[in-house]
Amino acid sequence: NAGVTQTPKFQVLKTGQSMTLQCAQDMNHNSMYWYRQDPGMGLRLIYYSASEGTTDKGEVPNGYNVSRLNKREFSLRLESAAPSQTSVYFCASSVLWGALANYGYTFGSGTRLTVV
Amino acid sequence: AQKITQTQPGMFVQEKEAVTLDCTYDTSDPSYGLFWYKQPSSGEMIFLIYQGSYDQQNATEGRYSLNFQKARKSANLVISASQLGDSAMYFCAMREGGALMDSSYKLIFGSGTRLLVRP
Repeated sequence: NAGVTQTPKFQVLKTGQSMTLQCAQDMNHNSMYWYRQDPGMGLRLIYYSASEGTTDKGEVPNGYNVSRLNKREFSLRLESAAPSQTSVYFCASSVLWGALANYGYTFGSGTRLTVV
Repeated sequence: AQKITQTQPGMFVQEKEAVTLDCTYDTSDPSYGLFWYKQPSSGEMIFLIYQGSYDQQNATEGRYSLNFQKARKSANLVISASQLGDSAMYFCAMREGGALMDSSYKLIFGSGTRLLVRP
C-alpha cells in the first residue's frame, strides 16, 4: 500500500546508545517531518524537510539529527539516547501547499522508543 | 508564535449523542488552516476535516463538522451521532506557512482530547 513506512515499530535502547529511525514515502511528496508524541503534550515537531536537500529545526531538535537522503527517505538519528527521549515518534509527509494539500499530512504508523 | 489550545484532556459522551471538542488558536497570519486528526488506540493518525481561514462555510465531512468562529479564534469539532468506534484521541492542528501556493508548511498540534463513547 502506498504511504509512509517507518522502521522499526518498537525499540528499546540503553542510555548513551545511538540509533537511526528510518522513514520512506512513495507518494512523491516534497516535504517530510519528524514529530514526537508525549502524553499531555500532543505532537511536537523535531525536524522537517520542506524539499529534497533542505532540513530545518522544529520545536524540539536538541539531541537529534536528520538526513534527507533523497526525495523518498528522511531519517532521524539519536546520537546518544537519553531517558527523556522515550517517546512515540511519527514520520509524516506532505505535498507543498496547494489544491491537494487540504488533507494535511500522511503519517507513518509510529515508532515506540524506550530509553532505559 | 502560533499556538493551538485544547482545554479538555478527556471527555465522555453517550452513544448516539453529539459531542463538541474544543480548539482555540492564536495566529497573526491572515492565511491559515485548521485540521482535526483522530488517533485510535492502535496509534495511527487519521485525517478528519480541514477548514481554511478564508472559507465562508463551516467544513463538514459525514458525521464530522467544524464549528469555525473566526472572531473568537475557535475551531471546534462536532461529532454527531457518536459511535463506539469514535473512542479515540483527537488532535486539533494549525498550518504554519503555506501562505502561497506551492510553498512549504508545517502543522502545529494541540495537546489532544481523549474521547470515550459510552454504550
